[in-house]
Amino acid sequence: EALLVESGGGLVKPGGSLRLSCAASGFTFSAYNMNWVRQAPGKGLEWVASINRRSEKMDYAGSVKGRFTVSRDNVGHSLSLHMTSLSAEDTALYYCARDRGDDYNPHLDVWGQGTLVTVSS
Amino acid sequence: SKVLTQPPSVSVAPGKTARIPCEGDRIGNKRVHWYQQRPGQAPLLVINYDKDRPSGISERFSGSHSGNTATLIISRVEAGDEADYYCQVWDGVDDQYVFGTGTQVTVL
Repeated sequence: EALLVESGGGLVKPGGSLRLSCAASGFTFSAYNMNWVRQAPGKGLEWVASINRRSEKMDYAGSVKGRFTVSRDNVGHSLSLHMTSLSAEDTALYYCARDRGDDYNPHLDVWGQGTLVTVSS
Repeated sequence: SKVLTQPPSVSVAPGKTARIPCEGDRIGNKRVHWYQQRPGQAPLLVINYDKDRPSGISERFSGSHSGNTATLIISRVEAGDEADYYCQVWDGVDDQYVFGTGTQVTVL
């Protein structure tokens, strides 16, 4: 069974940094593009970042571009999100999700349970 | 397509059919996917490619797509279907996922 487990969330002050991790198991991690999706308290889903199988291409939502960096370790079967210059607007539950489908119609077929990031002084 | 609009809420009686629309400019040529998110849980893919059901998803879930509107259809609604539902497309111009605004389904 494919499984994703996020970690690294917590309380951070405005302007601070945090690194999230996602451990993958039960599938060939290197064969899939991966994503981070977040959900602010009581709000909808917001895609944050994607990384392709070989770390050749990374894409970011406009709201995080220049502040967040997505990376992966195919040997260690893990995905990371390095977040800097955090503000209250970044407070959310951050999900790791596996990409499925072709390059023109991708969708997310496996999700972790999320890790909570709270930005507050 | 940057905005996918869904009604904030839909109410339906048990055993009836719920229809959740998802509207967006220029989604006519895109494939729409749907997620269910029960309270306190991670999203779950329930429909992909407009109308296909992933393995393990109840046949009560179906989808349709006509022009700039896609619709998630839940037949014979049960109490366990109470959840938030989100549509999603891929924006190939800006290379990003776009989610709908979300619809909360309440079973009366």
